[in-house]
Amino acid sequence: QVQLVESGGGVVQPGGSLRLSCAASGFTFSNYGMHWVRQAPGKGLDWVAFIRYDGSNKYYADSVKGRFTISRDNSENTLYLQMSSLRAEDTAVYYCAKGPGNYMDVWGKGTTVTVSS
Amino acid sequence: ETVLTQSPGTLSLSPGERATLSCRASQSVSSTSLAWYQQNPGQAPRLLIYGASSRATGIPDRFSGSGSGTDFTLTISRLEPEDFAVYYCQQYGSSPPQLTFGGGTKVEIK
Repeated sequence: QVQLVESGGGVVQPGGSLRLSCAASGFTFSNYGMHWVRQAPGKGLDWVAFIRYDGSNKYYADSVKGRFTISRDNSENTLYLQMSSLRAEDTAVYYCAKGPGNYMDVWGKGTTVTVSS
Repeated sequence: ETVLTQSPGTLSLSPGERATLSCRASQSVSSTSLAWYQQNPGQAPRLLIYGASSRATGIPDRFSGSGSGTDFTLTISRLEPEDFAVYYCQQYGSSPPQLTFGGGTKVEIK
């Protein structure tokens, strides 16, 4: 079955960097766009970034533009989110999700990122 | 940027009752770009509806979506115990490409 498994979360100091990974299985990864979506503790959903199936186009929320980079390795069926210049407000559960550009049809269970000194 | 406003913030209903959730956009949204998600506590969101009215795979037919322009509705015809959760609407805007979520509606047991 379709499965997405995030990893790489943890505690990082403000200004630090972290790379999240999302391992995909059960579908042809290279045929689908992928998203990152986050959820701060007790808050709603917040879209972060999207990458097209072939990596040709990438789109970002204004709040992370210039600090986060989405990428993918279709040979490894893996999605990445490189996060730098992290701020306290980036603290959240980060979900990867499969989908066309306009919605997300399958979600992973998420990985937790905490930005704190 | 299109802002989505969901109402009410909390809906208190009993099992078997009908739930009507509203999502209002600050500007017109293409119907192909409006989706609804369900999230239970401690779990990842689940896609319910895409294209404003199309049910996702495996979603029971008690869930239905409707609307156009700036006003969209998610209806749950008869609430089952597992339906008590938080629901989010989401839209896609193409210029520039951005996705935004509403603030959510919590459906709780009365």
